[in-house]
Amino acid sequence: GAVVSQHPSRVICKSGTSVKIECRSLDFQATTMFWYRQFPKQSLMLMATSNEGSKATYEQGVEKDKFLINHASLTLSTLTVTSAHPEDSSFYICSARVQGGDGYTFGSGTRLTVV
Amino acid sequence: KQEVTQIPAALSVPEGENLVLNCSFTDSAIYNLQWFRQDPGKGLTSLLLIQSSQREQTSGRLNASLDKSSGRSTLYIAASQPGDSATYLCAVYGNNRLAFGKGNQVVVIP
Repeated sequence: GAVVSQHPSRVICKSGTSVKIECRSLDFQATTMFWYRQFPKQSLMLMATSNEGSKATYEQGVEKDKFLINHASLTLSTLTVTSAHPEDSSFYICSARVQGGDGYTFGSGTRLTVV
Repeated sequence: KQEVTQIPAALSVPEGENLVLNCSFTDSAIYNLQWFRQDPGKGLTSLLLIQSSQREQTSGRLNASLDKSSGRSTLYIAASQPGDSATYLCAVYGNNRLAFGKGNQVVVIP
């Protein structure tokens, strides 16, 4: 089945540094990927939609200069949290739509802790 | 805007009991509905996908029903096991957006 691989699974960084999270579709091409943020005991919040070869579409309230998204190929999308602050600490998950309209597949998530 | 509600938010059941998890959504114009499982600190694992034209889907001990007109879906897990302990998320897809509920947190007690 369609698999999305997300790395790293866990990262701790110092305040002010930048962190890159990668999301790869392993056995299919994903022209569109989605980036979510999840707070404890909350539902997933869509941050942005990543489109291969073009600019990402950000949801209202999400700072595009802080959360840089690059989708340079049909199998790789990256999310870079720039100048990270403790309030950016969260669980980030990527997703892609399975070809043929058979729902969505998700990465394993990245736990970001900013100290 | 699509609103997805999952009830109950949390439940504990003894091993062997059947689980019934409910999901309701406000906009019935959906393309499909998907149930996921999430273990602590992990990503989402797809359990069942129901297209809008379908009434239910089954996989092993899992059965999900969909009543689009009333905006409801129910996930049944038969003969629960401790390994079923997880959070179950309901997501509906419509208007080019995937909307999630907050989940049903399940603990199966051995």
